[in-house]
Amino acid sequence: SFEVTQSAAVSVSPGQTATITCSGNGLGLKYVSWYKQKSGQSPMLLIYKDDKRPSGIPERFSGSNSENTATLTISGTQAMDEAEYFCQVWDSTVPDVSFGGGTNLTVL
Amino acid sequence: QVQESGPGLVKPSETLSLTCSVAGDSVGTMNHYWAWIRQSPGKGMEWIGSTRSDKSFFNPSLKSRVAISLDVSQNRVSLKLTSVTAAETGVYYCARHRYDFWGYYGMDVWGQGTTVTVSS
Repeated sequence: SFEVTQSAAVSVSPGQTATITCSGNGLGLKYVSWYKQKSGQSPMLLIYKDDKRPSGIPERFSGSNSENTATLTISGTQAMDEAEYFCQVWDSTVPDVSFGGGTNLTVL
Repeated sequence: QVQESGPGLVKPSETLSLTCSVAGDSVGTMNHYWAWIRQSPGKGMEWIGSTRSDKSFFNPSLKSRVAISLDVSQNRVSLKLTSVTAAETGVYYCARHRYDFWGYYGMDVWGQGTTVTVSS
């Protein structure tokens, strides 16, 4: 499986921009999805195909993927954004699915 | 909608069997794959495998112990994992995902998850 490393924890103040990263060798050549999971709940898809938002996901959630790093950016972070965020990598050559270890976002 | 079910307690070395009941979509179509994922405090989120009517693929580390099957008449997806250990205790999720020539679309539908404890 593809090895992907995710930033462990991020803290931001309300209204600021939160940046969560996943890194892996050649990650930019693969598709990355991002999920939000609140405590006790199932994951929810935020971003697919590196930078696409499903319907209903606010525009303040955005994604990018280049070279070895994929980034989830949350603009104007709100208290409701406090959650665990996971990246997921799709390797079409196998095919194979890998998850990052998760990033705990705290909104202070 | 997706709903997982199965025994909450499995003994070490035995087989874990779970079922995912699907509503609002047909597991027999070629539109989506159906995946099993588990989450544990020690190992985080781990993909187990995915299946569609024409193809299946699995996590290489689990492949020798995993079977995922479709029951089109009941619209269900089943998971069997043999020779389980205590380290495989966690929450098991069923999810839907799709990929095609133009890319990968993520896991857009998840069940609520079912907790499985492996203990004697």
